[in-house]
Amino acid sequence: DAGVIQSPRHEVTEMGQEVTLRCKPISGHDYLFWYRQTMMRGLELLIYFNNNVPIDDSGMPEDRFSAKMPNASFSTLKIQPSEPRDSAVYFCASSPREGIWGRNEKLFFGSGTQLSVL
Amino acid sequence: KNEVEQSPQNLTAQEGEFITINCSYSVGISALHWLQQHPGGGIVSLFMLSSGKKKHGRLIATINIQEKHSSLHITASHPRDSAVYICAVSLNQYSGGGADGLTFGKGTHLIIQP
Repeated sequence: DAGVIQSPRHEVTEMGQEVTLRCKPISGHDYLFWYRQTMMRGLELLIYFNNNVPIDDSGMPEDRFSAKMPNASFSTLKIQPSEPRDSAVYFCASSPREGIWGRNEKLFFGSGTQLSVL
Repeated sequence: KNEVEQSPQNLTAQEGEFITINCSYSVGISALHWLQQHPGGGIVSLFMLSSGKKKHGRLIATINIQEKHSSLHITASHPRDSAVYICAVSLNQYSGGGADGLTFGKGTHLIIQP
């Protein structure tokens, strides 16, 4: 398996523009997570899906952020309109249910998208 | 909201030294995760712990639920261990402390010099 695939690797855009980040999870993984990493705040969970259904979006900073998972093999994170404070590395991760307790113990991260909003 | 504190923030050591990174959290949890972020930015899950100790190669992770504290140890450290080590905790009772709903520490930046 190729692992979790994110695109693009780097995105530079101007304030006010729409940004779409893409993620392909590992086949068979039930959970998909979107995280944001900044120097000031570290890693933060934005939203996660279980079987394509959004479970917890309390980490989404504001209405400018939206995420979708139309099928088990694809998810998008959209920022519209983008602002300079959105500049960060955005990670997608997926996780399988494992073991007798059915817990998702391991996260598999994509390489991240480095977003710069000028 | 759970606060997750890691110490030290930065650590530089010589090859071969025994390394300890600490993580403390403020409220009861279901499980604790240790992650490793490589200099290139890639992130790898190392351990998930809900009690006791786990070992993988030269890495050992321990947790004391009563004291709300976990440690990550590296034996016979090597320059390739240089990375940021991140502690994360889960409050999610329904998933038994799985990876959903994690709160992260700021990370410990480890440099192992040859």
